[in-house]
Amino acid sequence: AQSVTQLGSHVSVSEGALVLLRCNYSSSVPPYLFWYVQYPNQGLQLLLKYTSAATLVKGINGFEAEFKKSETSFHLTKPSAHMSDAAEYFCAVSKPSGGYQKVTFGTGTKLQVIP
Amino acid sequence: GAGVSQSPSNKVTEKGKDVELRCDPISGHTALYWYRQSLGQGLEFLIYFQGNSAPDKSGLPSDRFSAERTGGSVSTLTIQRTQQEDSAVYLCASSLTGEKLFFGSGTQLSVL
Repeated sequence: AQSVTQLGSHVSVSEGALVLLRCNYSSSVPPYLFWYVQYPNQGLQLLLKYTSAATLVKGINGFEAEFKKSETSFHLTKPSAHMSDAAEYFCAVSKPSGGYQKVTFGTGTKLQVIP
Repeated sequence: GAGVSQSPSNKVTEKGKDVELRCDPISGHTALYWYRQSLGQGLEFLIYFQGNSAPDKSGLPSDRFSAERTGGSVSTLTIQRTQQEDSAVYLCASSLTGEKLFFGSGTQLSVL
């Protein structure tokens, strides 16, 4: 079964500093990996996804993530944090198999941006 | 509609009562997911519908929970004999392929 582990339920960064949110996956086959973001009082939306093409994936709002098979990681980064990045971020994994894709989420990381 | 619609947005019920939560997916999306979001627990998978295939019910926490999807569209999640630990936000999502899930705003369930 696929699973993801997010290290750190809360992360605080200063405005303009690097954002690094960690995600490690467990999967018996090459997985699909995702980052979703939930802004305050809003629904979840897809930030970026890895589906076995380029290992460095760029998403919306300047975020990117790199798939590292040797480390079973898919960490989310942004070079310079903005106040509007304050939200909860969820890493997710699915097993690609002919149209059936159960998507499993991590426990989430709340990002606080300090002015 | 343009997005996934869930109703009600808030539901307060007494312990022991039954509740029904509704999800109206994006038109044409064959996949429909239910998740439960509790503080510190992330998104807990409950059930998944894909077209006419048998649903994946592996995440339902007990036999008090059930869900159906009528006509490949609207889905209803039913919780019987609600308990206080059922209090959470119940999220519905729909998708064409599973590569991108579109989420509704959720139903906040409070069991008193």
